[in-house]
Amino acid sequence: QKEVEQNSGPLSVPEGAIASLNCTYSDRVSQSFFWYRQYSGKSPELIMSIYSNGDKEDGRFTAQLNKASQYVSLLIRDSQPSDSATYLCAVKTSYDKVIFGPGTSLSVIP
Amino acid sequence: NAGVTQTPKFQVLKTGQSMTLQCAQDMNHNSMYWYRQDPGMGLRLIYYSASEGTTDKGEVPNGYNVSRLNKREFSLRLESAAPSQTSVYFCASRGKGTDTQYFGPGTRLTVL
Repeated sequence: QKEVEQNSGPLSVPEGAIASLNCTYSDRVSQSFFWYRQYSGKSPELIMSIYSNGDKEDGRFTAQLNKASQYVSLLIRDSQPSDSATYLCAVKTSYDKVIFGPGTSLSVIP
Repeated sequence: NAGVTQTPKFQVLKTGQSMTLQCAQDMNHNSMYWYRQDPGMGLRLIYYSASEGTTDKGEVPNGYNVSRLNKREFSLRLESAAPSQTSVYFCASRGKGTDTQYFGPGTRLTVL
């Protein structure tokens, strides 16, 4: 079993809708969780980090963490065509080891 | 302040050839990482280095070696390249006390 898994894509949503991206992880001692966005042909860039159970909001983005269920999600409200990218879930599993999931490709249709 | 730089940007090798991918950061970061990215596979950790002088294996270390030359530089070596190592390679760094990883622009490697 891969350490970090994400719902398979591609995911298509109409402009203005909510996009929901999901991630599960296997290492129960993980404490730090991240969402990176990667545009085609570019490097990943951090958009959200979350460390405690519950929700964390930043503009149109909300990250949700449930450590008991080993589940992390990212909601994108009012999706825009510029949000079309691959979203990578990442988990820091020990002092310095950061593992990424396979990514979910999101397409926002105008 | 260039952030994380990688050389070369593109490389084509023949099976069995060797090469070293270079990575440098100018942010005084302690931790550095090498990932490979293949279609549908996300980023897979090859090796990482928590500090100068230390290196640890990641998810897919076979066929690779690394050197943390100093605090700035972290190189990845392929001793005998194989077609399965065709991929995009990303280097990243992270500062002490923070969790944000900063990525380089990537090296696109093709092994024929």
